[in-house]
Amino acid sequence: EIVMTQSPATLSLSPGERATLSCRASQSVNSNFLSWYQQRPGQAPRLLIYGTSTRATGIPARFSGSGSGTDFTLTISSLQPEDFAVYYCQQDYNLPLTFGQGTKVEIK
Amino acid sequence: QVQLQESGPGLVKPSQTLSLTCTVSGGSISSGNYYWNWIRQPAGKGLEWIGRVYISGGTDYNPSLKSQVTISIDTSKNQFSLKLSSVTAADTATYYCAREDYYDGTITLPFDPWGQGTLVTVSS
Repeated sequence: EIVMTQSPATLSLSPGERATLSCRASQSVNSNFLSWYQQRPGQAPRLLIYGTSTRATGIPARFSGSGSGTDFTLTISSLQPEDFAVYYCQQDYNLPLTFGQGTKVEIK
Repeated sequence: QVQLQESGPGLVKPSQTLSLTCTVSGGSISSGNYYWNWIRQPAGKGLEWIGRVYISGGTDYNPSLKSQVTISIDTSKNQFSLKLSSVTAADTATYYCAREDYYDGTITLPFDPWGQGTLVTVSS
């Protein structure tokens, strides 16, 4: 099983600031199979990024993804009020499909 | 636009079988190349993939749950279902269904869309 480890667990930032979230895989993941999801309180997760860097339909350009091998990053260039949420990375490369434990982006 | 909706009992007794259904609307469950998935999330915790079914009826399960899980598909009702046997309090969670797109055996679009989720509590 590929274990996905996200850091930090919590990120405290102000609106307008840049957020950088990390995701590390326990073994190499083909970059085509790394995704990011956003989950707001009381809602289902929403696909943000797939294939490491491709934004899903309707996702604003302030969200970007990068990385390769075992290290991947989600960047939010300028936090908007609606961006304060929990973010999960996920790999589709090997079964079982696995998620990171999440990074909570909270208002400072 | 395809939408997914989970349904089923919100309360299940320990040792019994949890049964949930995901109804697909806005499109046919049997058109296109899709995997139909179940994912769960205990309150305040992360996401756990349970397994998936494809139109052929083939399945993939998380080994951690494989002995308990059965996922099936009913194309006549545009639904797929989850059965989780011998449940304990540890199976208390919000259960989500979600679709994956694939081509030639490779995922082309991961979990999207998702259902809104349904909370299942295991308690006597």
